[in-house]
Amino acid sequence: AQTVTQSQPEMSVQEAETVTLSCTYDTSESNYYLFWYKQPPSRQMILVIRQEAYKQQNATENRFSVNFQKAAKSFSLKISDSQLGDTAMYFCAFMPWDNDMRFGAGTRLTVKP
Amino acid sequence: GAVVSQHPSRVICKSGTSVKIECRSLDFQATTMFWYRQFPKKSLMLMATSNEGSKATYEQGVEKDKFLINHASLTLSTLTVTSAHPEDSSFYICSANSGRANNEQFFGPGTRLTVL
Repeated sequence: AQTVTQSQPEMSVQEAETVTLSCTYDTSESNYYLFWYKQPPSRQMILVIRQEAYKQQNATENRFSVNFQKAAKSFSLKISDSQLGDTAMYFCAFMPWDNDMRFGAGTRLTVKP
Repeated sequence: GAVVSQHPSRVICKSGTSVKIECRSLDFQATTMFWYRQFPKKSLMLMATSNEGSKATYEQGVEKDKFLINHASLTLSTLTVTSAHPEDSSFYICSANSGRANNEQFFGPGTRLTVL
């Protein structure tokens, strides 16, 4: 069974600073997807960034980037130039080819003005 | 982008009654839909995977007879909580697979169920 671990229940960062959220996972699969989702107080799940395991290049989306270390089974999210609107729960998720997505416990990020 | 809706957004019911939650993909056909449950300040837990025209696949520990899932069309899946009890109170979220090569899932806005 696949597991996803987010070891940081809560984090905070000053506005405009950079923060990194950690995620590790356990799987015997070789092909899979990894995701970071943002869940603001509205509870709507919003896709932040996606990484295909077969791609060595780290995914980037504007201020969001990942550090994907396949051998170490690590998938951290870096948020640059943090904004107040980034305050939310962040979930790391793993999905093998069969589409059953598994989520980590989440990290509550607070961006302070 | 693809849009998934859920109805209702909030529902309050009495213990012992049944509640139906709808999940619709508005601008794409979804061969697979997923139902999650989220307790306060907790993560999303997959309850079941719903494929159009076939029986849902339930995760271990999820009661099939209590959480009835129907995926009658490529744009609609329903979750019915039967004989609801207060411990069924939770936030229920659905997602739909777009069928694209990247297997992206799109999430609905969720339904908050409160059982009195």
